[in-house]
Amino acid sequence: AQSVTQLDSQVPVFEEAPVELRCNYSSSVSVYLFWYVQYPNQGLQLLLKYLSGSTLVKGINGFEAEFNKSQTSFHLRKPSVHISDTAEYFCAVSEGGSQGNLIFGKGTKLSVKP
Amino acid sequence: EAGVVQSPRYKIIEKKQPVAFWCNPISGHNTLYWYRQNLGQGPELLIRYENEEAVDDSQLPKDRFSAERLKGVDSTLKIQPAELGDSAVYLCASSLEGSDTEAFFGQGTRLTVV
Repeated sequence: AQSVTQLDSQVPVFEEAPVELRCNYSSSVSVYLFWYVQYPNQGLQLLLKYLSGSTLVKGINGFEAEFNKSQTSFHLRKPSVHISDTAEYFCAVSEGGSQGNLIFGKGTKLSVKP
Repeated sequence: EAGVVQSPRYKIIEKKQPVAFWCNPISGHNTLYWYRQNLGQGPELLIRYENEEAVDDSQLPKDRFSAERLKGVDSTLKIQPAELGDSAVYLCASSLEGSDTEAFFGQGTRLTVV
């Protein structure tokens, strides 16, 4: 069975500092990988996704993630965060061929402080 | 273009009462998903529709939950009777036909059962 582990439940960081949100997954088949962002009282917005091809994926708002098959990881990074990046971030996985049947991690709350 | 629309945004009911949530997907999207997000957790898939057919409802608690998607457009999710543990955010998402297309999420309905 597939599963997703987000290693940090909360990540505090100062504005303009770099940040990495960690995600590991387990699956016995090829997978698609996603990062979603959820602002307070809002739905989920797709940041980026890995389906195939280049392992370095660039998304919206300056975020990027790297797929590492040997380490079964898909960590999210941003070189310089803003106050507006404060939100909850979810890593998700699905079996190859499906972008909607998602298994989510428990989320990481990113708090950006001035 | 309007996104996925859900109503109501918030609902408070007493336990043992019935409740229903409504979802209007993005125009032209044949695939519709209902997810449940418990506090402090990632969303979990409840049911997926392709047009009016429920193609994956394995995670839907069928003793008290039901869903329908008449005419393959709008969908309703019902709980009868509600229990305290049903308090959660219920998210609807939609995508173009088939599961291999990006899913777009609505803002969700926050249910509180007291």
